[in-house]
Amino acid sequence: QQPVQSPQAVILREGEDAVINCSSSKALYSVHWYRQKHGEAPVFLMILLKGGEQKGHDKISASFNEKKQQSSLYLTASQLSYSGTYFCGTEIRDYKLSFGAGTTVTVRA
Amino acid sequence: DAGVTQSPTHLIKTRGQHVTLRCSPISGHKSVSWYQQVLGQGPQFIFQYYEKEERGRGNFPDRFSARQFPNYSSELNVNALLLGDSALYLCASSLPSGSSYNEQFFGPGTRLTVL
Repeated sequence: QQPVQSPQAVILREGEDAVINCSSSKALYSVHWYRQKHGEAPVFLMILLKGGEQKGHDKISASFNEKKQQSSLYLTASQLSYSGTYFCGTEIRDYKLSFGAGTTVTVRA
Repeated sequence: DAGVTQSPTHLIKTRGQHVTLRCSPISGHKSVSWYQQVLGQGPQFIFQYYEKEERGRGNFPDRFSARQFPNYSSELNVNALLLGDSALYLCASSLPSGSSYNEQFFGPGTRLTVL
């Protein structure tokens, strides 16, 4: 089952912060975050595993609440390059990564 | 280092035809996954292959099949094409690890249009 992302879209000015949320009704093993720019392939941002292990880019931060099966991606001091559609992917250790519908982020100068 | 490559870039087919899409993973990656992405939606998982074996399958009809070759490249086959199969088909490779999933490196995709 697909995770639910919120908000659907957000508009920011450079330097502003935003939070993107992802929730699932299933007990998750891992949460993945990717960013896709128009006409391009999704690019890996971060993985958060059950138990607390994380792997990702230094400038990206995220959290995973295992009790609530929720994850949040934090965009801090946003830059123009942060614009794109952000997808969370969830996995219950069955080798099937389910992606949400995406959150479109627009950063304006 | 070369990234994930996919061919062809674009493809136009008519209903009822068959299509084969190809993917070459990053050197050293042994796992390949296929996704279908319809405009405005997130990628939908179709298959994952590791060491030539199917390790996961999404909710797609039997018209969809795939295989992985000894060099870890992969093919996705779709039979009896429907209009609804029109989408961007993404291939992603990854290094298998102790976790059931690792970061995915996506290719540029194949844009399939079914008329």
